[in-house]
Amino acid sequence: SQQGEEDPQALSIQEGENATMNCSYKTSINNLQWYRQNSGRGLVHLILIRSNEREKHSGRLRVTLDTSKKSSSLLITASRAADTASYFCATGPDAGGTSYGKLTFGQGTILTVHP
Amino acid sequence: ETGVTQTPRHLVMGMTNKKSLKCEQHLGHNAMYWYKQSAKKPLELMFVYSLEERVENNSVPSRFSPECPNSSHLFLHLHTLQPEDSALYLCASSQRGVRGGRTDTQYFGPGTRLTVL
Repeated sequence: SQQGEEDPQALSIQEGENATMNCSYKTSINNLQWYRQNSGRGLVHLILIRSNEREKHSGRLRVTLDTSKKSSSLLITASRAADTASYFCATGPDAGGTSYGKLTFGQGTILTVHP
Repeated sequence: ETGVTQTPRHLVMGMTNKKSLKCEQHLGHNAMYWYKQSAKKPLELMFVYSLEERVENNSVPSRFSPECPNSSHLFLHLHTLQPEDSALYLCASSQRGVRGGRTDTQYFGPGTRLTVL
């Protein structure tokens, strides 16, 4: 089974509402990252939270990390139609000798924001 | 614009063709990656190059052959592909930590949409 699993698989909301996506993982991590992907395009990095951090903000984004539950959430406040995209969490393994930036991605949450 | 470019953006090829995908990063990074993204599947890491040395090959069939001539360029050579190889192929780069063990932000190209007939 995969490392990162997002929940829900799809989310449909109205503009102005908040969107919350969750990610669970199985093994120890060094950090957890969230990426966004517009349809058929490459992924764009949104935010990185390290294993010793519990919460991080960036603009309308708020990420939490609970290492005891091996879970993270991404909150997008005051959503806009332009936020419509797929959102992926990606985990970086604990520093046990990996010498490069290997990430394991989940299947993603498809967010649709209706105008 | 992420600083990572990929060409071509779309490719249609027959099962007997040979083609190559190209990736170039303008970020001064020293690690580059090839991923495969198929419908309804998580992003699959195929190859990793760190300082121009292949450091990971995730059981990828030999019909995919990567090449990293320098730290800015990455190629994926394709030959005798199967229809199930149709997917979005994404290239990414990151800055490897000096002492290793770091997982840094990855910067992705726009991808090549590959269709194998």
